[in-house]
Amino acid sequence: EVQLMESGGDWVQPGGSLRLSCAASGFSLSNFHMNWVRRAPGKGLEWLSYIRDNSATIYYADSVKGRFIISRDNTKNSLYLQMSRLGVEDTAVYYCARLRDSTYSSSPYYMDVWGKGTTVAVS
Amino acid sequence: EFVLTQSPATLSLSPGERATLSCRASSSIRSYLAWYQQRPGQAPRLLIYDASKRATGIPARFSGSGFGTDFSLTISSLEPEDFAFYYCQVRPNSPLTWTFGQGTKVEIK
Repeated sequence: EVQLMESGGDWVQPGGSLRLSCAASGFSLSNFHMNWVRRAPGKGLEWLSYIRDNSATIYYADSVKGRFIISRDNTKNSLYLQMSRLGVEDTAVYYCARLRDSTYSSSPYYMDVWGKGTTVAVS
Repeated sequence: EFVLTQSPATLSLSPGERATLSCRASSSIRSYLAWYQQRPGQAPRLLIYDASKRATGIPARFSGSGFGTDFSLTISSLEPEDFAFYYCQVRPNSPLTWTFGQGTKVEIK
């Protein structure tokens, strides 16, 4: 079965750091581009970061640029998000998601497999 | 700045009724639009991609339509498990970011 499973969420004080992991099973992570997305309490989904299949291209949302670092280890079939200088506004459930290309182009944009999420609480 | 606007914010309907959710882009995105469902305490689930293609395992009561700037998600007859949040999401453009609409909550009337 194709699955993603996040881990590493925890309670942390403002200014602290945390590293999230996302383990893939049932498929080879090396064949897919990946995203991190979060949902804060009472808010909608927010995209955070993108990493290409070979790590050659990385993007961040402005809200986390300079504080979060996305990485991957395809040999371990795992994706990571290193978070630093955390603030209360970073309290959320964090999801990793697999990207797929449009039928009409080779640009990845929609997310077909999501993990169950891991909770980060900053207070 | 690119904006994706969903309406209404909340839709109050009864089981068996038809639900129509709207998503409007501030500039043309052709057909590069996806829809997701998120039930309380669960991960988002892909429903529709490329504006109108149902994802694997999604029931036929879910359908998507639209092109350019105006899109809709229709649930032909609401089942109890369909009461949830729904988000549209657009293909990255310049700057390269992934954008979600603010969401529509479909609640039981």
